[in-house]
Amino acid sequence: GNSVTQMEGPVTLSEEAFLTINCTYTATGYPSLFWYVQYPGEGLQLLLKATKADDKGSNKGFEATYRKETTSFHLEKGSVQVSDSAVYFCALFLIYNQGGKLIFGQGTELSVKP
Amino acid sequence: NAGVTQTPKFQVLKTGQSMTLQCAQDMNHNSMYWYRQDPGMGLRLIYYSASEGTTDKGEVPNGYNVSRLNKREFSLRLESAAPSQTSVYFCASSPGGFREKLFFGSGTQLSVL
Repeated sequence: GNSVTQMEGPVTLSEEAFLTINCTYTATGYPSLFWYVQYPGEGLQLLLKATKADDKGSNKGFEATYRKETTSFHLEKGSVQVSDSAVYFCALFLIYNQGGKLIFGQGTELSVKP
Repeated sequence: NAGVTQTPKFQVLKTGQSMTLQCAQDMNHNSMYWYRQDPGMGLRLIYYSASEGTTDKGEVPNGYNVSRLNKREFSLRLESAAPSQTSVYFCASSPGGFREKLFFGSGTQLSVL
């Protein structure tokens, strides 16, 4: 079946540290891949996406590259800030009927300390 | 800039009670979704509506029903609440077709005692 697996959290880093959150997927066909972020008390927001192999999505200093050969979409940031503390969800998108649906990973909580 | 609006924000039910979670979007989106979020399990799709007049089951539909009242509104009903339905519920919408970005509401925290 189609699924997304993320590294378990919580991940605790000091400000300005390098961040990697691993994400691997299983899917039929060629899905689009996403990272969503959920700040405390809020709904999810799209952070970045990639729609085909070797695409790199980027936003707010975060990057992720669609690696078809390893079925991965790892999230990276060179220097995290306290304001990046949130839960990060990797997801894949499948086209279905006239719309589509997202399948989410379990989420990885990031806590950045000053 | 309302986006996706969910009501209520918090709700406490007793086992066996029924209730309806309301969701409305003002972005003229075709597709709407209901997810539940549980610790360590991420978001799981309950039901979705690809377009007005259609609804389909997601991963965890048991114990729920939905109604796509019109293009704007998509409600989720619990007919007989159970403690296992204690969760945070999110409604989302998307333009549909090949446009995949989902817009989420701020969630409903439901406790079933």
